[in-house]
Amino acid sequence: ILNVEQSPQSLHVQEGDSTNFTCSFPSSNFYALHWYRWETAKSPEALFVMTLNGDEKKKGRISATLNTKEGYSYLYIKGSQPEDSATYLCAFKRNQGGKLIFGQGTELSVKP
Amino acid sequence: EPEVTQTPSHQVTQMGQEVILRCVPISNHLYFYWYRQILGQKVEFLVSFYNNEISEKSEIFDDQFSVERPDGSNFTLKIRSTKLEDSAMYFCASKVPSSGYNEQFFGPGTRLTVL
Repeated sequence: ILNVEQSPQSLHVQEGDSTNFTCSFPSSNFYALHWYRWETAKSPEALFVMTLNGDEKKKGRISATLNTKEGYSYLYIKGSQPEDSATYLCAFKRNQGGKLIFGQGTELSVKP
Repeated sequence: EPEVTQTPSHQVTQMGQEVILRCVPISNHLYFYWYRQILGQKVEFLVSFYNNEISEKSEIFDDQFSVERPDGSNFTLKIRSTKLEDSAMYFCASKVPSSGYNEQFFGPGTRLTVL
C-alpha cells in the first residue's frame, strides 16, 4: 500500500513568520512529487512538480526541496502572509500516466 | 486563463438515486481524472481516462461508477445507485499528454451529499 504522509496536520503562524511542512512518500518507484495549494471553495492550484533528487524549486516566497532517496519533500514559506492561508497538499506519482496519491494535507492559518 | 469547470457545485440526493457529475476539462488536454475526498480523509483517486477509455481505476470505482466523454468537451462521472458513503467532494482533473511531469489541473469540485 502506497502511503503519503504530511506533517504537521495544521499550523497557525503570525504574519511575517517563516514556516515549513514535510511530505513523506515511498522512496521506490518514484516518478514525480506534486505540491498543490488549496483554498476552500476553489480549485487546488499546482505549485510545483518535483522530479529529480536534490531538486529545489521556488515561486515567490514559496520554495520546495526533494529527496527521493529518503522519500521526503519540504515546502517552505518565507514571511507568511494572511493570503497564504490554505491547505497544502503533496501528491506522489509512480509512473508517467498514473494517478496522484495524496497526503492528508497541511492546513496553514496565518494571522495578521 | 483556461480552467477546469465542474457542475453542479453542490448536489444533494437520496440514497439509491443516480447522479451525474459534470466536468469541462481544459480544451487541449487529453488525460482526464476523477478524484474524491470524503470529509476528514485524504483525496483519493477514482479513475483515469485517455483516448476514450479507462486507463486506470481504483478499487472504489466499482460497477456503480462509470465515466463518459459524450462530446468533445464534457467528461462525466455517473454513480448509478448512490450510497451514504458516496458523500464526498468529487474533483475532476485534466492534463496535457506531452509529458508525465505536467501537473494535473483540478476543478473546484462538486460536493455530493447522499441522504
